Amino acid sequence: EIVLTQSPGTLSLSPGERATLSCRASQSVSSSYLAWYQQKPGQAPRLLIYGASSRATGIPDRFSGSGSGTDFTLTISRLEPEDFAVYYCQQYGSSPPDTFGQGTKLEIK
Amino acid sequence: EVQLVQSGAEVKKPGESLKISCKGSGYSFTSYWIGWVRQMPGKGLEWMGIIYPGDSDTRYSPSFQGQVTISADKSISTAYLQWSSLKASDTAMYYCARSYCSSTSCLFFDYWGQGTLVTVSS
Repeated sequence: EIVLTQSPGTLSLSPGERATLSCRASQSVSSSYLAWYQQKPGQAPRLLIYGASSRATGIPDRFSGSGSGTDFTLTISRLEPEDFAVYYCQQYGSSPPDTFGQGTKLEIK
Repeated sequence: EVQLVQSGAEVKKPGESLKISCKGSGYSFTSYWIGWVRQMPGKGLEWMGIIYPGDSDTRYSPSFQGQVTISADKSISTAYLQWSSLKASDTAMYYCARSYCSSTSCLFFDYWGQGTLVTVSS
């Protein structure tokens, strides 16, 4: 089973700043099968990025994903007030179970 | 517009049974898989299992195998998650979500239901 470790656990930034979130896998993620989701309080998760770097439909271009192998990054180039939320990575290249990271909380500083 | 609409919140006692639902619309229900994800209070996301409504092919996470049953009725575009005997530790928000699976693995979840809160308490 692939274990995903996200860091930091909490990230405190101000609107307008750049956010860099990390997701590290315990073994290589095949074909960059890595997704990122955003979850706001009281809401379902929303797909942001799939295939490590492809934005989902309707996702602003301030969100970008990068990485391969075991190290992946979600970057939010310039934080908007609505971006403060919890972010999860998910690997989906292996046989079940597909696994999620434990999440990074992005909070307003 | 793709939509997954889940049934409402439930409050149950330990030992009771429960079946919650997820109705898909706005797409071909039998062309995609429907997965279930658990989120315990204040915790992260856990992949439980997934079903292909077209032929009811079902896959479970080892952590949830034998604990829950996933089913679907393609005639009414609805997937289900059920428990035969609830425990207090089943208290959580449960999400359904759409995906696609090959013979060896499943992809990301592109559309999600709004969630069903299940509370199990004596």
